[in-house]
Amino acid sequence: RKEVEQDPGPFNVPEGATVAFNCTYSNSASQSFFWYRQDCRKEPKLLMSVYSSGNEDGRFTAQLNRASQYISLLIRDSKLSDSATYLCVVTGNTGGFKTIFGAGTRLFVKA
Amino acid sequence: DGGITQSPKYLFRKEGQNVTLSCEQNLNHDAMYWYRQDPGQGLRLIYYSQIVNDFQKGDIAEGYSVSREKKESFPLTVTSAQKNPTAFYLCASSDLEYSLAKNIQYFGAGTRLSVL
Repeated sequence: RKEVEQDPGPFNVPEGATVAFNCTYSNSASQSFFWYRQDCRKEPKLLMSVYSSGNEDGRFTAQLNRASQYISLLIRDSKLSDSATYLCVVTGNTGGFKTIFGAGTRLFVKA
Repeated sequence: DGGITQSPKYLFRKEGQNVTLSCEQNLNHDAMYWYRQDPGQGLRLIYYSQIVNDFQKGDIAEGYSVSREKKESFPLTVTSAQKNPTAFYLCASSDLEYSLAKNIQYFGAGTRLSVL
């Protein structure tokens, strides 16, 4: 089982749609969680951190469920510019720092 | 501007040749990382360093070498022992906050390496 698993997609949605991505992680001792965005042939960039209480940044909402070991990202009112790959990232501190990147979920938003 | 600079943007390697990818950061970060990304794949950790003159192997270190002589610099050498080097190479850096909540990695723009 992979340490961090994401649905690879692609998700094809029309503009204005709401889309949700899920990510599961295997290490229950994981401590920090993030969503990164990666555009085609570019480097990953931090989209948002994920807190236990859930957090929102404009059209983006991230949730963490420690009991079920999954995190989610909800994008409301999708824009064409949201088309990218979204990476789930999990960091723990068991036996030293370890940051694991998921393989990413591709999103295509169409007009 | 603060950030991470990788060079070159594109690199071609001949059979049996060693090539070195540059990574420089002016963010005053303690930790630096090298990742490899293959098409449609996630990031795989090659090497990382948390302090000058010290570095650790990641998941796919074979065929690669690194050095950390300065805090700002973490070059990666792809040796001739790496038989399948064609990939997108990403360098990242982060603070070493033991709270972990601030252990966010920031990436350079990457180097695309191809074999001639």
